[in-house]
Amino acid sequence: QSVLTQPPSVSAAPGQKVSISCSGSSSNIGNSYVSWYQQLPGTAPKLLIYENDKRPSGIPDRFSGSKSGTSATLGITGLQTGDEADYYCGTWDNSLSAGVFGGGTKLAVL
Amino acid sequence: QLQLQESGPGLVKPSETLSLTCTVSGGSISTDSHYWGWIRQPPGKGLEWIGSIYYTGTTYDNPSLKSRVTISVDTSKNQFSLKLSSVTAADTAVYYCVKHFLQWEQGKMLLYFDYWGQGTPVTVSS
Repeated sequence: QSVLTQPPSVSAAPGQKVSISCSGSSSNIGNSYVSWYQQLPGTAPKLLIYENDKRPSGIPDRFSGSKSGTSATLGITGLQTGDEADYYCGTWDNSLSAGVFGGGTKLAVL
Repeated sequence: QLQLQESGPGLVKPSETLSLTCTVSGGSISTDSHYWGWIRQPPGKGLEWIGSIYYTGTTYDNPSLKSRVTISVDTSKNQFSLKLSSVTAADTAVYYCVKHFLQWEQGKMLLYFDYWGQGTPVTVSS
């Protein structure tokens, strides 16, 4: 069971927008920055968002991140079939003194 | 461009020690503010942070692994390594080496993993 809670799956049509939630507590999301990762089938995860809402160079602005209290959200607009992947949120947990992840959300672009 | 490459046995027997090495190229492992760590992913499951090390030797381990983890660094070879003792089938996973940031920013911990190795599968079986 993961420390952070994500929906197992989300889906939307090409061109549409989708949001993926990540819920935690005051010991993690509430007092740390959140990052998001995209894992395409058979590949290593890739950093999408760091420090809640910043995008590394090369990540299109279709991807966005936000945080409020003990929850965070990844938004993806203009969905493409190539966006089909597993998405993970991550942060630091002060109580555990450990990095923690959500269980992952599988995005289907139907 | 920074690159990380895992190496080590793909099969380990139960109760033995899993040993992996990550070779870093395209940059120095002794760079300030850069941490080096291990993350694993059991088949069909999510990500689990195992632990990390700074080039000075300071380590951070996931308490859930109950002191079975040893992470070391060899700055002369630009490598860092993982040893996981007393393995069981539950340790079967793809193991990734990663580079990450870990620092306090404005009263909050900033942690993110920006470079990943391709991952190496490890099976624990007799």
